[in-house]
Amino acid sequence: ETGVTQTPRHLVMGMTNKKSLKCEQHLGHNAMYWYKQSAKKPLELMFVYNFKEQTENNSVPSRFSPECPNSSHLFLHLHTLQPEDSALYLCASSRDRGNTEAFFGQGTRLTVV
Amino acid sequence: AQSVTQPDIHITVSEGASLELRCNYSYGATPYLFWYVQSPGQGLQLLLKYFSGDTLVQGIKGFEAEFKRSQSSFNLRKPSVHWSDAAEYFCAVLISGGYNKLIFGAGTRLAVHP
Repeated sequence: ETGVTQTPRHLVMGMTNKKSLKCEQHLGHNAMYWYKQSAKKPLELMFVYNFKEQTENNSVPSRFSPECPNSSHLFLHLHTLQPEDSALYLCASSRDRGNTEAFFGQGTRLTVV
Repeated sequence: AQSVTQPDIHITVSEGASLELRCNYSYGATPYLFWYVQSPGQGLQLLLKYFSGDTLVQGIKGFEAEFKRSQSSFNLRKPSVHWSDAAEYFCAVLISGGYNKLIFGAGTRLAVHP
């Protein structure tokens, strides 16, 4: 248990569906991250939020829409996804500055059919 | 540009044998370095970290890593591998400049033979 909780753990959705992934932490961290982990590919940093402000968007397609309503919660809204978007989506949190490690959730295994 | 390279995609060792996983980084400033482990279907668990001080750092599960600035390396070692160590291992560097960002290597998948 890392203190970062992701729901759901598994999600199967059609290409026309709209769904959301949720991440929650109560570690007092001010930075939250979405990573995508596909088979045979390195971990891809998607979005970074610091103090609820998006500070990084790594050229992620607009069918992925993040939302950070407060420092403890992070969402990833999904719509009109493609089969190649099937992956493990990992959320992490850390302090926004200084020497610190990131704590990861267990991920959401997403399958787009 | 900042990057992390893990040259070995797959490594297989026998149980009880020693292990070394390689990691090289590219970063202009003082690096903050990490090793994470991921079991199948799980998130990433921190094994150990280097921020400053002693260049040989000890982690959980009997792992250690040595920071060598001259070689831009942070290799992970374990003297005697257990079957339960089979997993994927990721090296990462923390980029800090205004705000923090963690950059990962591609990972090394470790298989352990009985």
